[in-house]
Amino acid sequence: IAGITQAPTSQILAAGRRMTLRCTQDMRHNAMYWYRQDLGLGLRLIHYSNTAGTTGKGEVPDGYSVSRANTDDFPLTLASAVPSQTSVYFCASSALGEYNEQFFGPGTRLTVL
Amino acid sequence: GQNIDQPTEMTATEGAIVQINCTYQTSGFNGLFWYQQHAGEAPTFLSYNVLDGLEEKGRFSSFLSRSKGYSYLLLKELQMKDSASYLCATMDSNYQLIWGAGTKLIIKP
Repeated sequence: IAGITQAPTSQILAAGRRMTLRCTQDMRHNAMYWYRQDLGLGLRLIHYSNTAGTTGKGEVPDGYSVSRANTDDFPLTLASAVPSQTSVYFCASSALGEYNEQFFGPGTRLTVL
Repeated sequence: GQNIDQPTEMTATEGAIVQINCTYQTSGFNGLFWYQQHAGEAPTFLSYNVLDGLEEKGRFSSFLSRSKGYSYLLLKELQMKDSASYLCATMDSNYQLIWGAGTKLIIKP
C-alpha cells in the first residue's frame, strides 16, 4: 500500500441497506477524516479522528458512524442508507497540527436508490 | 460563522496567466490551503500560507492577506493540464479544514 486507499471504488446501494466504506493509510498519520463532495458544494466533513481510539463529529455526521480501532484504518458506516447520501466520499489523513496537509484517497462514488 | 467564497468557474487561454481569488471569514485561523482537483480524482495539495505575502512554487504562486481575509492563487504559463478545480480551504483553531466550493478552471487553446 502506498498512501491512502479506499474501497469500494463505486457502489450502487438500495435504500435502507447498511454499507461500510473502507479507508486505510500507511503513512502513520494520527488524524483521519471522512468527507462527502457534492456538486456545487465544498468538501463537507462527516467525521474525523485525531488519534486511534477517538472520533469526532464534523459538519454533516447524521446517518454516519465511524470507528478508529488502530492508526491505519478508519471505516465509515451508513447504518440505513438514504438517497440523500448519494455522493462521492473521500477519506483523508494528515499529521496533526498546523501546516499539515491532508492526503486524500481516490474516493468512493456511492449511489443510493 | 465560517464562510469561504471563490468564483464558480473561470476560463483562460493556454500560455496566459490566471488569478483565482478566495475570500474567507472564519472563527479561528491557522493558515490557508490551495488544492487542485482534476475531474473524477482526489484533491492534491498545492500550497499553504499562514503569514501575509506571496509564496512562489514554480508556475504557481499563492498570496495571503490575513487582515483582508483574502487569498489568491496565481497560475502562470497555463497548460491544458491545468484544467481542473481549485479548492481554497482555511484551517480553523481545531486544525480542521473549512472548504470553499471550488473554482473550475477551463483552459482553451
